[in-house]
Amino acid sequence: SYDLTQPVSVSVALGQTARITCGGNNIRSKNVHWYQQKPGQAPVVVIYRDSNRPSGISERFSGSKSGNTATLTISGAQAGDEADFYCQVWASSGASDVFGGGTKLTVL
Amino acid sequence: QLQLQGSGPGLVKPSETLSLICTVSGGSISSSSYFWGWIRQPPGKALEWIGNIYYSGSTYYNPSLKSRVTISVDTSENQFSLKLTGVTAADTAVYYCARRSAAVADNWFDPWGQGTLVTVSS
Repeated sequence: SYDLTQPVSVSVALGQTARITCGGNNIRSKNVHWYQQKPGQAPVVVIYRDSNRPSGISERFSGSKSGNTATLTISGAQAGDEADFYCQVWASSGASDVFGGGTKLTVL
Repeated sequence: QLQLQGSGPGLVKPSETLSLICTVSGGSISSSSYFWGWIRQPPGKALEWIGNIYYSGSTYYNPSLKSRVTISVDTSENQFSLKLTGVTAADTAVYYCARRSAAVADNWFDPWGQGTLVTVSS
């Protein structure tokens, strides 16, 4: 099975830049999507296809990919950005959608 | 605006079958552009993909759940459903339904339903 590895937690000072990584074998060949989930709410896509931002999502959210790691970057972190973040890919070898283990973002 | 609404029993006994329905409004489940998926989240844990279905009835399942899962679609009612057999406490979770593009490159889930908490307990 295909696995995506995320740090359990990331902390960032208010107004600074947070980076959340997502590692996976040959992830460079896959489209990576990122979701934000606030407590008690359903996930919302914040980045699709590696680096694209849906309408209505703040420009402070951006995505990139290098080697076997995809990264979600949150610039000028705000208290309202605190949430769990998940990466997701389609693993064609197993014909499966796969989610990472999730990262809890804390804004200090 | 497309909306998904999950529904079903909030309490299921161990060894029995969990059954949920997702009703789609504001759009047609028969669109050739989308899959319809189920994702679950045990309390305090990560998201876990369960499976997807196309309006034609084609399905993809998580290999770890495949032996116990059936996803079906009812185009006349604009609904799709989930059945999970032989449940245990480990199946206690919030179950989400969501739309997913059928295009290979556009395989993200959006929008999501509000989630249905299902507890497995006697």
